[in-house]
Amino acid sequence: AQSVTQLDSQVPVFEEAPVELRCNYSSSVSVYLFWYVQYPNQGLQLLLKYLSGSTLVKGINGFEAEFNKSQTSFHLRKPSVHISDTAEYFCAVSNYGGSQGNLIFGKGTKLSVKP
Amino acid sequence: DAGITQSPRHKVTETGTPVTLRCHQTENHRYMYWYRQDPGHGLRLIHYSYGVKDTDKGEVSDGYSVSRSKTEDFLLTLESATSSQTSVYFCAIRATSGSQDTQYFGPGTRLTVL
Repeated sequence: AQSVTQLDSQVPVFEEAPVELRCNYSSSVSVYLFWYVQYPNQGLQLLLKYLSGSTLVKGINGFEAEFNKSQTSFHLRKPSVHISDTAEYFCAVSNYGGSQGNLIFGKGTKLSVKP
Repeated sequence: DAGITQSPRHKVTETGTPVTLRCHQTENHRYMYWYRQDPGHGLRLIHYSYGVKDTDKGEVSDGYSVSRSKTEDFLLTLESATSSQTSVYFCAIRATSGSQDTQYFGPGTRLTVL
């Protein structure tokens, strides 16, 4: 069975500071990895994904994540955050090409950017 | 925008009443999913469909049923709503063309069961 652990439920940070949101997963098979962002009272928007290839993945809004297979991690980073990055961020994992294809989500990390 | 709409967007109902939520897609994707989102739980899979009339259960399927009579529509039914089903419900499609294998989500339906 797969599982995803987001190590911080809340991350407060000041504007223009760097941020890292941590995600670890467990799986006995190869996986696809995703980060989604949810702004207040909105749906989920894909931020970035790792399917194969380069382990450093760049997404929208200046975010990037690095897939580390040995540490089973997929941490999300941004070098300088803005007030508008305040949102909840979800890490998710899917079976590599699995027939079911559903996502297993972490419980989310609320990023709060303060002026 | 993956062409996904959900209706209604908000609903308040009473315990014991049946409720049906609709998910509509415009891009002919084979796979569709229903998730629920609750504080502290992230999103959890209720049911999914891998084609017309082909559906299967997810992690939290008790109390829910689904139907898919057309490729574009995936319905989620609460046969007899309970307060524990108060939640935000998200529909998703799975885009698998080429090397892509990614889910995109609808805007959600906020359901309150009194």
